[in-house]
Amino acid sequence: DVQLLASGGGLVQPGGSLRLSCATSGFTFTSSAMSWVRQAPGKGLEWVSTIRGRGDSRYYRGSVKGRFTISRDNSNNTLFLQMNSLRPEDTAVYYCAKHGGGWGTDVIDLWGQGTMVAVSS
Amino acid sequence: EIVLTQTPGTLSLSPGEGATLSCRASQTLDSRYFAWFQQRPGQAPRLLIYGAATRATGIPDRFSGSGSGADFILTITRLEPEDFAVYYCQQYGISPFTFGPGTKVEFK
Repeated sequence: DVQLLASGGGLVQPGGSLRLSCATSGFTFTSSAMSWVRQAPGKGLEWVSTIRGRGDSRYYRGSVKGRFTISRDNSNNTLFLQMNSLRPEDTAVYYCAKHGGGWGTDVIDLWGQGTMVAVSS
Repeated sequence: EIVLTQTPGTLSLSPGEGATLSCRASQTLDSRYFAWFQQRPGQAPRLLIYGAATRATGIPDRFSGSGSGADFILTITRLEPEDFAVYYCQQYGISPFTFGPGTKVEFK
């Protein structure tokens, strides 16, 4: 079975940092682009960032560019999101998501259960 | 940034009825990079349709997608109780890979 297990969320003060992880299994990790998508409480889905299967290209939404860094450890089948300079508007459930192929333009075909990030003083 | 607008915001229907959900893009899209997702309460989203019209693995044939250019449709025939959920469209051809705001299909 394919599994995506996100972790690392929590409560952090504005300006603080968190590092999210997504441990995966059950598929060829290097063959899949991976993304982070977030959902603020009671709101819709918001794409955050995508990294290609080989890790050679990364994409970010404008509001997180320069603050968030997506990366992957293809040896350990794990996806990361380093989040710095956090703002209250970053408060959301963060889902890690697997793409159906190695390119960022392959569709997301599976979502993990998400990890909650709350930014508040 | 490509903006996706979904209509209606809420659809009130009964089991057994059909549903038509619309998604309009702010510019012409390559339909190969257009998808629909379903999110049930308290759950992660699930892929329904990709490439505008191809059902994902395991998705029942009462779900169908159509459209091209800037206008796309998700049709659900004969709603089942488990279909009452929020549906999102997404374009994944041009970064940022935007989602629509969602259409909630609720019990009438």
